[in-house]
Amino acid sequence: EAQVTQNPRYLITVTGKKLTVTCSQNMNHEYMSWYRQDPGLGLRQIYYSMNVEVTDKGDVPEGYKVSRKEKRNFPLILESPSPNQTSLYFCASSPLRGASTDTQYFGPGTRLTVL
Amino acid sequence: QKEVEQDPGPLSVPEGAIVSLNCTYSNSAFQYFMWYRQYSRKGPELLMYTYSSGNKEDGRFTAQVDKSSKYISLFIRDSQPSDSATYLCAMGRGANSKLTFGKGITLSVRP
Repeated sequence: EAQVTQNPRYLITVTGKKLTVTCSQNMNHEYMSWYRQDPGLGLRQIYYSMNVEVTDKGDVPEGYKVSRKEKRNFPLILESPSPNQTSLYFCASSPLRGASTDTQYFGPGTRLTVL
Repeated sequence: QKEVEQDPGPLSVPEGAIVSLNCTYSNSAFQYFMWYRQYSRKGPELLMYTYSSGNKEDGRFTAQVDKSSKYISLFIRDSQPSDSATYLCAMGRGANSKLTFGKGITLSVRP
């Protein structure tokens, strides 16, 4: 089944404890992206990647890191999480190089709480 | 002014009603317009996609883009309880550009 998977789906952690949220897609997509979704603010892009070893900042990259060593994986790293990073996170992938011209396939989301 | 504005709702309608969802935008460079639907506890999924101005119809759904007014709409005819979800508009400038999303509106269709 073609899909985007994220792990973990739920995570409660404490301030400053490094964490990684994994994202994997099995559709051989070039474009991958991370978003956070907050009430009243909608979906905001954190980072995106056009291809392996190519990543770029989105609208709200502060406090996050990403890497794209393999085409299928695009992990999101929070080196020192803070309470303002409590949010619902979505990974997405798209077959083409851009998000505008083709559908993005979203993962199921990761609900992160930072205490 | 935010780049993309979407009425926050929520919106509640009876089954069978015609629903109109709208977004306005300020950036005239946007050329690609999308509507995503997000069910509770799920990721968004693409519902409609339109390039430039005009209408596009898919079953009970019609997407409309008016670039002169910087206004896009999604119409849902004969709404069903299964249409109850959050609807997000999204826009992009070019083929390799990112999408800018509206905040989303939650629709509830009452049986």
